[in-house]
Order: sequence, then structure tokens, then C-alpha cells
Amino acid sequence: AQTVTQSQPEMSVQEAETVTLSCTYDTSESDYYLFWYKQPPSRQMILVIRQEAYKQQNATENRFSVNFQKAAKSFSLKISDSQLGDAAMYFCAYRSDPNFGNEKLTFGTGTRLTIIP
Amino acid sequence: DGGITQSPKYLFRKEGQNVTLSCEQNLNHDAMYWYRQDPGQGLRLIYYSQIVNDFQKGDIAEGYSVSREKKESFPLTVTSAQKNPTAFYLCASRALRTTPEQFFGPGTRLTVL
Repeated sequence: AQTVTQSQPEMSVQEAETVTLSCTYDTSESDYYLFWYKQPPSRQMILVIRQEAYKQQNATENRFSVNFQKAAKSFSLKISDSQLGDAAMYFCAYRSDPNFGNEKLTFGTGTRLTIIP
Repeated sequence: DGGITQSPKYLFRKEGQNVTLSCEQNLNHDAMYWYRQDPGQGLRLIYYSQIVNDFQKGDIAEGYSVSREKKESFPLTVTSAQKNPTAFYLCASRALRTTPEQFFGPGTRLTVL
């Protein structure tokens, strides 16, 4: 079974600085997807970024980028120019290739990010 | 506006009562999901459905039931057999043939007294 580990329960960063959140996962599969979701105080889960395992290029969405290391099974999220609105719980998630019919998202336990003004 | 709605936002029930949580989507998504979130844990899958009138158990289906009579709706019933029903419940949906990611509703906080 796949597992996702987020070893940093809490992180903090000064506003406008850069922060990196860590995620490692365990799988025997070669094709899969990785995601970072953000959960602000409203508690709605919001997709931040997605990475396909077959792509070597790291995904980027504006101030958010990932460092995907497939061999090391590592998937970290970098937030540049941190803003107050970035304060939230961040969850890393894994899912198998949908061609195999597995619909399950496996989540890590989350990292609470605090932005210091 | 397209999206996923869950109602109510907060729900209180007495122990031993069944309760049904609503989830509706107007995104024309094929698949719908129910997750449970407890403090200090990630989300855990309860049930999912890829097509009307069909659904599959997730990791923690015991004490829960679902139905999928319409594509837009996927209600979750928390039965009295669920030992620890107090939790935050999130519904999600996905367009099966176009995107791998799931999109989430705002959630329902269920408290059993």
C-alpha cells in the first residue's frame, strides 16, 4: 500500500520570504500523480499543484513550484514571496495512475504553515 | 457558478441517530467521493462512485452508507453503527476522462452528542 509522509507538522516563514515543505512517499508503482492541497481556516481543500510521475520537468504554478525526485520518492513544495493568504494546512497526496482504476487519494498528515508579518 | 455544495455546514445529532450529509455538484463530473478528516490526520476515503447506481468502499466504510441515484448527488448516511462519527466530512468530485485531480466541497462538521 502507498504511504505519504510529511515530517514537518508546523513551519513558519516571514512574509515575502521563501519556504519549502517536505513530502516523501512510498510506492512500487511507476506511474502515478502527486498533489499539494491547501486547507485554509475555512477548511475547504484547494488544489495548489499537480505533478505527473512520467514528467521529468517540475511543475510550477505562479509562486508555487515543486521539486520532484522520483528515485528518492520525494515531492517538496516551494512557496516563493510568501503572502499572508498562504497561511494554511498543506497536504501532500498520492494517487495511482487512473488507467489502473484506482481512485484513492492517499494523504499525508499535513504541515501547518504560519506566515509572520 | 459551477461547484460542489455540501449542507449543512454544521450538524449536531444525538448518539444513536442516523444522519445524512448532502453533497451536490453541477460540474458534470462523473466521479464523487466522501472523505473523513480527524484532527492531526490526513483525509481518509469512506466511499466513492464513478457512475450512477454504483459505488465502492474506501478504507473506512464501516458504519457509513451512500447512494448515487443522480449524477449530481452523492449523499452520505452516518449510521448508529459508526463508533466515532464526530469528524469533518469532505465531498469531492472528478471528471474521469479529463483530469486526475479531485475538487472538494466546503465540508460538513458533524458533532454527535
